[in-house]
Parts: sequence; structure tokens; C-alpha cells
Amino acid sequence: AQSVSQHNHHVILSEAASLELGCNYSYGGTVNLFWYVQYPGQHLQLLLKYFSGDPLVKGIKGFEAEFIKSKFSFNLRKPSVQWSDTAEYFCALILTGGGNKLTFGTGTQLKVEL
Amino acid sequence: GAGVSQSPSNKVTEKGKDVELRCDPISGHTALYWYRQRLGQGLEFLIYFQGNSAPDKSGLPSDRFSAERTGESVSTLTIQRTQQEDSAVYLCASSPPGREAGNEQFFGPGTRLTVL
Repeated sequence: AQSVSQHNHHVILSEAASLELGCNYSYGGTVNLFWYVQYPGQHLQLLLKYFSGDPLVKGIKGFEAEFIKSKFSFNLRKPSVQWSDTAEYFCALILTGGGNKLTFGTGTQLKVEL
Repeated sequence: GAGVSQSPSNKVTEKGKDVELRCDPISGHTALYWYRQRLGQGLEFLIYFQGNSAPDKSGLPSDRFSAERTGESVSTLTIQRTQQEDSAVYLCASSPPGREAGNEQFFGPGTRLTVL
């Protein structure tokens, strides 16, 4: 069965620091990949997604992620974080042709300090 | 427009009681999903409804869990004879029709269930 791993459970950064959150998945076939974010007190919302094409995808609020097929990775990056980026970040995948159910990682809690 | 709504926002129940959780998807969204998030774990898929097709129930953890959906609107998730391990946040999501568009799921605020 497919799975998603997020190895960083808690990350603390200062404002303006660069961010990279790791995401690896295990599945031999084709997948669609997502990063979701949950800001404090808010709903889970989509940050960015990769279906096909350019492996470097850009999302909202200056976030980007790169799909590296050979490494089964889809790491999330932001060059300069802000205090308002404090949130929980979830990597997820959908199997193409396998229905639309998302398989999520356990999430990374990011805290950005002023 | 209105997003996905869920009720109640919080539910505390005693072990052995039945509970019903409700989800109102975004109007026009044909697909509806239930997930749960237990403390310290990622979201787990429970069940998926797509239009008039038979639901994908492959994520339901036991026969105490069931869900229904009326047409393309409201869904209820029922947990019978609740156990303490059922304590979690239950999230509902919906997505619009279309192959690629249908892959973006819009989540509700969740129902926090606590089983004493």
C-alpha cells in the first residue's frame, strides 16, 4: 500500500529564514502530489499540487515544491518565511486511476518566531 | 460562496453510545470524503462518495462505522457503540466534478469527537 512520510515533525525558524520540509512517498506507480496547510483555527487548505509536467510547482504565498521522481520526494520550500507561515503542513498523494482518496503524511508543525 | 460545513463542532460522548456527524458539502460538488485525524497521526481516509456510484468504503475501520449521502448533498457519518479509540477529529471534504478539478478537495472545519 502507498504511504507518505514527513520526517520533520516540529520545525522552529526565525523570520526570513529559508524553509524546506521533507516529504517522501512509497508507491511504484504514478501519483498526484499535494501540500496542504492548516493555519491555527482554520480549515485545511491546498497550498500547491503536482499532476504532471514541470516538476517544480509554485503555490500560494511564495511556496514551491519540487517533485523528484527518482527520490520519491516532493519537498516544500520557501526562501524567506514569515511569522504568518506558522501552521501545520501536510504532504499527501492520490494514486492516478485509483479514486480520489488522499493519503496523508503525519504533518509538520512549523513555528516561525519573530 | 459557503464552504464545507460540519456539525457539531465538538461532541463528547460516553463509551458505547452511538454518534452521528453531519457534513454539508459545497453546492455543486459531486464528490464527498470523510477522513479522521487521531492525535499525533496524519489524516486517514474513511469513505468516499462520487455521484450516484457505490461509495468506496475501504477506509472504514470497523463495521461500527457507516456513512450515507443523500444525492449530492448532505452526508452523515455514524459511529455505533463508540470506543475510546474513536476519539479524533473527523473531517469532511468535497470536490467539484472533472478529472483534474476533482482532485482538489475542500475541507470543512471538522468535528472533534471525544469518547469518555
